[in-house]
Amino acid sequence: QVQLQESGPGLVKPSGTLSVSCAVSGDSISNNNWWAWVRQPPGKGLEWIGEIFQTGNTNYNPSLKGRVTMSLDTSKNHFSLELTSVTAADTAIYFCAQLVRFYDAFDVWGPGTLVTVSS
Amino acid sequence: IVLTQSPATLSLSPGEKATLSCRASQTVTSYLAWYQQKPGQSPRLLIYEAFYRATGVPARFRGSGSGTNFTLTISSLEPEDSAVYYCQQRSIWLTFGGGTKVEIK
Repeated sequence: QVQLQESGPGLVKPSGTLSVSCAVSGDSISNNNWWAWVRQPPGKGLEWIGEIFQTGNTNYNPSLKGRVTMSLDTSKNHFSLELTSVTAADTAIYFCAQLVRFYDAFDVWGPGTLVTVSS
Repeated sequence: IVLTQSPATLSLSPGEKATLSCRASQTVTSYLAWYQQKPGQSPRLLIYEAFYRATGVPARFRGSGSGTNFTLTISSLEPEDSAVYYCQQRSIWLTFGGGTKVEIK
């Protein structure tokens, strides 16, 4: 059974870069599924950030206007997210999740990591 | 594709039937999923491909619909069904609905 665990900085300064990573255990990151980031501002709904496949192919949310970069490391079985030029609006719980390719749904989620943007 | 969920909040008693709506701004050409999220927890997959229950999901949860109109029905509410429910699609870009909060009286 796949398990995911996020790790992040907790606090990032405005205009800085947010970097979070997700460790995958219980299966290979090369299992033909997509690996995604979803965020949730406190008290609000879910927002898809983007996804990456084992080949390195990525899809990003257009609303994030080129601030997003995702990468993966098959040797370490983990994937990462970088979000640049952050503002207070980027304060959220960041979840990593497995997006099952065959039915386009997230079947496994990490517990989430809260990232606060503040000086 | 914008997903609009209604109502925003549903307040019902145990044993009652809950009907949650998810309307898409365009035809959903891929699959539609439903999630349950309880406070302080990650979302949990309930339904995929509009009507298949995920592993371990009780039979009282039923998904239906196609095109632009989808429904999640909880046939007989249990106290533990108190949560926010989200729909999600991935036709062009992946989007979530705004959520429906189900409160158990």
